[in-house]
Amino acid sequence: GESVGLHLPTLSVQEGDNSIINCAYSNSASDYFIWYKQESGKGPQFIIDIRSNMDKRQGQRVTVLLNKTVKHLSLQIAATQPGDSAVYFCAENIDQAGTALIFGKGTTLSVSS
Amino acid sequence: NAGVTQTPKFRILKIGQSMTLQCAQDMNHNYMYWYRQDPGMGLKLIYYSVGAGITDKGEVPNGYNVSRSTTEDFPLRLELAAPSQTSVYFCASSFRGGGYTFGSGTRLTVV
Repeated sequence: GESVGLHLPTLSVQEGDNSIINCAYSNSASDYFIWYKQESGKGPQFIIDIRSNMDKRQGQRVTVLLNKTVKHLSLQIAATQPGDSAVYFCAENIDQAGTALIFGKGTTLSVSS
Repeated sequence: NAGVTQTPKFRILKIGQSMTLQCAQDMNHNYMYWYRQDPGMGLKLIYYSVGAGITDKGEVPNGYNVSRSTTEDFPLRLELAAPSQTSVYFCASSFRGGGYTFGSGTRLTVV
């Protein structure tokens, strides 16, 4: 079965709102997590990553939070724009060596103007 | 740099036919991967390779084969196509398992 999953399959927000996309993982040994964005008809694009020795990492308009106690990962997008509309996936290491990633099912973010 | 290049972009196969999905990267990445993505689903790992001459099975390897004779190329072979293999296939590469660079995908339909 899947070890990585997302709480909600869809999320609808208004332009300018902040968006929070959640992900739960089950492998407590996972030490590397990545968020990807996939637009329709395209391959996934790297957004931001975080290692297990951190609980927060910020990028441009995006923040990833990691709660190892409850095995929860979230992606926060500030001032969401229509161009942020896409499917968002979280992914974790398949093993401690970090040789490959296992992906969750994804959350579809829809941003309306 | 072209990044990760996949060919073909689209293909229709008849049941029982075989084909090879091509993947090439020009970033000198040592790790390469094949994933499949079914409609509305996440990506499932088929095979991966941590370097030339080394390949390993992922979550869903049955019905597929791979080879890695060079650092740049990682072809995926379907020997006897089945309708269950209808999917979008993504190739990706990374440097030592870090952030991936994905190709644009191959949409395969088996009829």
